Amino acid sequence: EAGVAQSPRYKIIEKRQSVAFWCNPISGHATLYWYQQILGQGPKLLIQFQNNGVVDDSQLPKDRFSAERLKGVDSTLKIQPAKLEDSAVYLCASSLPMGGDWDRTDTQYFGPGTRLTVL
Amino acid sequence: AQKVTQAQTEISVVEKEDVTLDCVYETRDTTYYLFWYKQPPSGELVFLIRRNSFDEQNEISGRYSWNFQKSTSSFNFTITASQVVDSAVYFCALNSYNTDKLIFGTGTRLQVFP
Repeated sequence: EAGVAQSPRYKIIEKRQSVAFWCNPISGHATLYWYQQILGQGPKLLIQFQNNGVVDDSQLPKDRFSAERLKGVDSTLKIQPAKLEDSAVYLCASSLPMGGDWDRTDTQYFGPGTRLTVL
Repeated sequence: AQKVTQAQTEISVVEKEDVTLDCVYETRDTTYYLFWYKQPPSGELVFLIRRNSFDEQNEISGRYSWNFQKSTSSFNFTITASQVVDSAVYFCALNSYNTDKLIFGTGTRLQVFP
């Protein structure tokens, strides 16, 4: 079974530029998450989708970050404009609801991440 | 408040030594899940184990074992006979049913030297 796919793996941009990351979850996984992991810290949730709807975006800096999952499968995360403090690894994860309903404590499976450097 | 504390920032051992990674959690919920993930240098978070709050049985999987103790709010991870390939950052995480967010600790970097 293929895992969570992410691209690109690395990106270097200048501050104030825009950047987009792509994620394709494990086939059949309805829930998709984007995390930001700053060096030396644990991942922090940015946004959570259930199918193509947003469940939680309370920690997403909406003035510069946006995300979409239009067809309920793959997703893109965009930063516009980027700041120096956005330098981090952006991780995508997906989970499969147990049983008939979404179980908010389902195991999340992570992709390899995109390492963003903002100069 | 939900919180996960991994007090050990970095541990270095020599191959074949046993090593225990500590994890202490805080939650007011009675229903919650605990996780361990491994993050090798490649960057991907690899799922290792998921444990619910009603199951305090210790678990062993090959060289890995986990000790869950609700009385001390701890979920420690032991690697027996460590190998160089075990070198990675290990994260403990908590997801409480009512909070619905996976909260990670700050991670413990394990270096296993040959």
